[in-house]
Amino acid sequence: ETGVTQTPRHLVMGMTNKKSLKCEQHLGHNAMYWYKQSAKKPLELMFVYNFKEQTENNSVPSRFSPECPNSSHLFLHLHTLQPEDSALYLCASSQDYVSGNYNEQFFGPGTRLTVL
Amino acid sequence: GQNIDQPTEMTATEGAIVQINCTYQTSGFNGLFWYQQHAGEAPTFLSYNVLDGLEEKGRFSSFLSRSKGYSYLLLKELQMKDSASYLCAVSLLTGGGNKLTFGTGTQLKVEL
Repeated sequence: ETGVTQTPRHLVMGMTNKKSLKCEQHLGHNAMYWYKQSAKKPLELMFVYNFKEQTENNSVPSRFSPECPNSSHLFLHLHTLQPEDSALYLCASSQDYVSGNYNEQFFGPGTRLTVL
Repeated sequence: GQNIDQPTEMTATEGAIVQINCTYQTSGFNGLFWYQQHAGEAPTFLSYNVLDGLEEKGRFSSFLSRSKGYSYLLLKELQMKDSASYLCAVSLLTGGGNKLTFGTGTQLKVEL
């Protein structure tokens, strides 16, 4: 495996379900990100982890719960979601998340989530 | 607040040249990225500008004017495979790190 991988690629869940999205990066990076991409809207940053520590939470509802057990893995735990949470969820990684540093981010293919 | 504008859609002909503009109003500017995203796929890096001027990379070039808050992506010798969404993203200095703020993307359609 190379780059950034995400599983599952597609997920359909009911509002009462609990599910998790998984992201893995094979680039030796130290920062990982969750983004939400909805139709006709810009990519929205949700969370940033730098060296396993959460450094950004962009006012995300608590029904989204991130977990970063190590610098290569990132999870997004989902529970009691709403239909408006249906979107493409993208994971990304970069060398680090340090003010002033070059910050090219490498993206995974995303998980297409549908909440019924 | 941060504001990034780019056209929603553009259409161009195979073999032609197209310019996709991006304007931004931000504080703490630390560079501008262009990404390409094909439908159902990951955004992929195209270019990065932090100083004023033109960066050329094969068929793709990107220009930045920091004083005008303006960038463009120039695609030459268009091919059908260039049909995709092109995302402009500004890197912003924050207390924690460099946050990327994205525009809505420009959907480019290349026709015969």
